[in-house]
Amino acid sequence: AQSVTQLGSHVSVSEGALVLLRCNYSSSVPPYLFWYVQYPNQGLQLLLKYTTGATLVKGINGFEAEFKKSETSFHLTKPSAHMSDAAEYFCAVSERNTDKLIFGTGTRLQVFP
Amino acid sequence: DADVTQTPRNRITKTGKRIMLECSQTKGHDRMYWYRQDPGLGLRLIYYSFDVKDINKGEISDGYSVSRQAQAKFSLSLESAIPNQTALYFCATSDVGLAGAGGEQFFGPGTRLTVL
Repeated sequence: AQSVTQLGSHVSVSEGALVLLRCNYSSSVPPYLFWYVQYPNQGLQLLLKYTTGATLVKGINGFEAEFKKSETSFHLTKPSAHMSDAAEYFCAVSERNTDKLIFGTGTRLQVFP
Repeated sequence: DADVTQTPRNRITKTGKRIMLECSQTKGHDRMYWYRQDPGLGLRLIYYSFDVKDINKGEISDGYSVSRQAQAKFSLSLESAIPNQTALYFCATSDVGLAGAGGEQFFGPGTRLTVL
C-alpha cells in the first residue's frame, strides 16, 4: 500500500529564509506526487504536482519540488519565505490508475518577521 | 463564484442526531470525494464516486453514507453522529479526463462539524 511521510509537523522560519518541507513516499511503482497548501479557514489548493518528465517541478508562489526516485522523496522548497506563506502544507500521492489521493499528516509552516 | 461549495460551513449537533453535509460543484467533473481532516492525521478518504451510479468506500467509511444525486451533487450523511466524528470535512472533485494522468483534485472550503 502506498503511504506518505512528512517529517516535522511544525516548521518555523524567518522571513527571507529558505523553506524546506520534507516528504517521503512508499510505492511499488512511480506514483504521481502532489503538494497542496491550506490557508487558515480555507480548503486545499494545489501548489504543484509531478507526473512524468522533468523531476524538478515549479509551482505557484515561488515553490518548487524535486522528485528523487532513489530517495523516494519529493521535498518542497522556496528560496525566500514570505509572511503570506504561513499555512499548512500537505504532500500526497496517487496511484497511476486512479485519482485517489493518500495524504501525509501535514506540516504547519510559521514565518516570523 | 466558488466552483466547489459545501453546506453548511459550520454545524454543531448532538450525539445520535442524523446529519447531512452537502457538496455541489460547477466544474462539470465526474469524480467526487469526501475527506475528513483531523489534527495530526492529515486528510483521510471517506467515500468517492466516479459517476452517478458508482459509489465506493474509502479508508474510513464506517458510520458514514453518501448519496450522489446528480453529477454536480454529492452528499455525506452521518446516520447517528458520535463525538469522534467531530472533524473538518472536505468535498473534492476531479476530471475523469485526467484520470490516471495525475489529475488534480479541487477542494471545497470545508464543513466544520462538532458532535457534542
